Parts: sequence; structure tokens; C-alpha cells
Amino acid sequence: AQTIHQWPVAEIKAVGSPLSLGCTIKGKSSPNLYWYWQATGGTLQQLFYSITVGQVESVVQLNLSASRPKDDQFILSTEKLLLSHSGFYLCAWSLGGVFFGKGTRLTVV
Amino acid sequence: AQKVTQTQTSISVVEKTTVTMDCVYETRDSSYFLFWYKQTASGEIVFLIRQDSYKKENATVGHYSLNFQKPKSSIGLIITATQIEDSAVYFCAMREYASSGSWQLIFGSGTQLTVMP
Repeated sequence: AQTIHQWPVAEIKAVGSPLSLGCTIKGKSSPNLYWYWQATGGTLQQLFYSITVGQVESVVQLNLSASRPKDDQFILSTEKLLLSHSGFYLCAWSLGGVFFGKGTRLTVV
Repeated sequence: AQKVTQTQTSISVVEKTTVTMDCVYETRDSSYFLFWYKQTASGEIVFLIRQDSYKKENATVGHYSLNFQKPKSSIGLIITATQIEDSAVYFCAMREYASSGSWQLIFGSGTQLTVMP
């Protein structure tokens, strides 16, 4: 069975500080991977997707970047956080449907 | 661009009853895929059920079923014999292809379901 693990579970960060969120999927080779963002009380918006190592496509940037250093790993990052980056970040993979990790709750203060 | 609309912001029902949540969509594709997800209080997003546009039969999984009305671009979620633990936010979503060959899910705004004892 496939499992998807996100880290950290939650972060409180200062405006202007860097950020790195991670996601690992096990049990599926060469998965399509996605980053989604959800503002508090809002809907989900896809940010990035990757279909293979080293390849990432941006859907909505929001002053964030993503990388796929390994087949099973997807990283979301920025060098300078904004208040508007606060929210819930979800990593996902697809096989027929889209399946989500448990998410990282980010608060920028 | 495709669009997914959920007009019901919140619904309250008594447990063991049936509830229907509405969703309408816009697409130019002749073949498309529709999904329903549930977001629990912890934030976890759980895949519930999927409908492929070329299938005439309404999808059913456990106590979830769909009312797919293609001419009306409508995909309602029906939950029968509701339980307290069905309380959550329910999102409707449609798959949209990106130019590079991958695709993304377009989500509706969600419907908060509260099941009361």
C-alpha cells in the first residue's frame, strides 16, 4: 500500500524567514506528485506538480518554489516568507484519483 | 478554464437521515472526471468517490453515492444513514488537463456538513 508522509506537521515562522516543507511517498514508483495550498476556511489550490525527478511545473507560484530531488520526495520552499503564506499545505499523489498527505499547518507571524 | 461551484455553505441534518450536497461544474471537455473529497476536523482530506463522465451509471461506494446529471452539469453527493462522524467539509472537484500533459484538480468552495444526534 502507498503511504505519503509530510513534515513538519506544523510550523510557526517569522515574516522574512526561509521555509522548507517536505513530502515522501512510499510504495509507488515514479508517482505524479503535487503541492496544494489551502487558506484558512478556503478551498484547495494546486501550486506545483511533478511527473518525474528534477522536473517541476508551476501552476500558481505565490512566491514559492518546489523541487523533486528524488523519485519519492517533493520539497516546497521559499527564502522569504510573507504573511500571505499562512495556511495549510498538502502534498498529494495521483493514481486515478488524487490522494493527500496529512498536511502541514503554517502560521507566519 | 473549468469551474466548480458549491452553493451550499453549510447543511445540518439529524443522524441516520439522508443528505444531498450539490455541485455544478463548467467544462469544454467531452470526457472528464469528477471527485468528492471530505476534509475532517484535523484537516485530513479523504478521497470518497469518483464519476467518469462517459459512464451512465451513478457511482456508489459504501453509504456514498452520486447523482450525476450530465445535461445539467451537476454531480450531487448523497450520503445515506448519516453518522455523527460524517460531520466534515465536503469538496467537489474536477480534473483539468494542463498544457504539459499533467493535470490538476479544480476544487469547489466546500460544504460544511453537521450531523446532529
